[in-house]
Amino acid sequence: DGGITQSPKYLFRKEGQNVTLSCEQNLNHDAMYWYRQDPGQGLRLIYYSQIVNDFQKGDIAEGYSVSREKKESFPLTVTSAQKNPTAFYLCASSIGYRDTGELFFGEGSRLTVL
Amino acid sequence: QKEVEQNSGPLSVPEGAIASLNCTYSDRGSQSFFWYRQYSGKSPELIMSIYSNGDKEDGRFTAQLNKASQYVSLLIRDSQPSDSATYLCAASFGNEKLTFGTGTRLTIIP
Repeated sequence: DGGITQSPKYLFRKEGQNVTLSCEQNLNHDAMYWYRQDPGQGLRLIYYSQIVNDFQKGDIAEGYSVSREKKESFPLTVTSAQKNPTAFYLCASSIGYRDTGELFFGEGSRLTVL
Repeated sequence: QKEVEQNSGPLSVPEGAIASLNCTYSDRGSQSFFWYRQYSGKSPELIMSIYSNGDKEDGRFTAQLNKASQYVSLLIRDSQPSDSATYLCAASFGNEKLTFGTGTRLTIIP
């Protein structure tokens, strides 16, 4: 079945540690996105990538980093510079960047900083 | 700053009734509008997209767009308990990234 796989589903981190969230898709989509969702909030865009080896900052990129070495993969690293990293992280993809509104989401990764 | 506004709810609707969810947006240039459904603890799922003024129907769902008044709505007919979820409205202009509202929590009362 085609889809987006995020891992881990739950992650606990101590302050000062970097963590990397995995996102893999087998939909053959060109564009991929990382969103953050806090309780009672909408989705906020962290980073997005339209093609391999290219990515752009979203609205809240500070304290995060990404890479896009393969079409299928778009991992997100939450660095120690991110001041409030506890949140629900969602990876998404679209067929192309022109289809930016029609997103397919992974199941999400819930990060808790202890 | 482009904004999408939704009433956070909760909106309670009896089973079998029509649920009406509303959304307004600030950018008059927005061209594309989307409704996503998000069950508690789960990821969003696209249920409707609408690009031109008027109504678009898909099963029990109808999206309505009025660009002059800058609002978009979602009607759910014959509401079922399985429709209980948070509904996110989103808008985009051209190829620009989506702007999401904060969502309306809908509860269908059996």
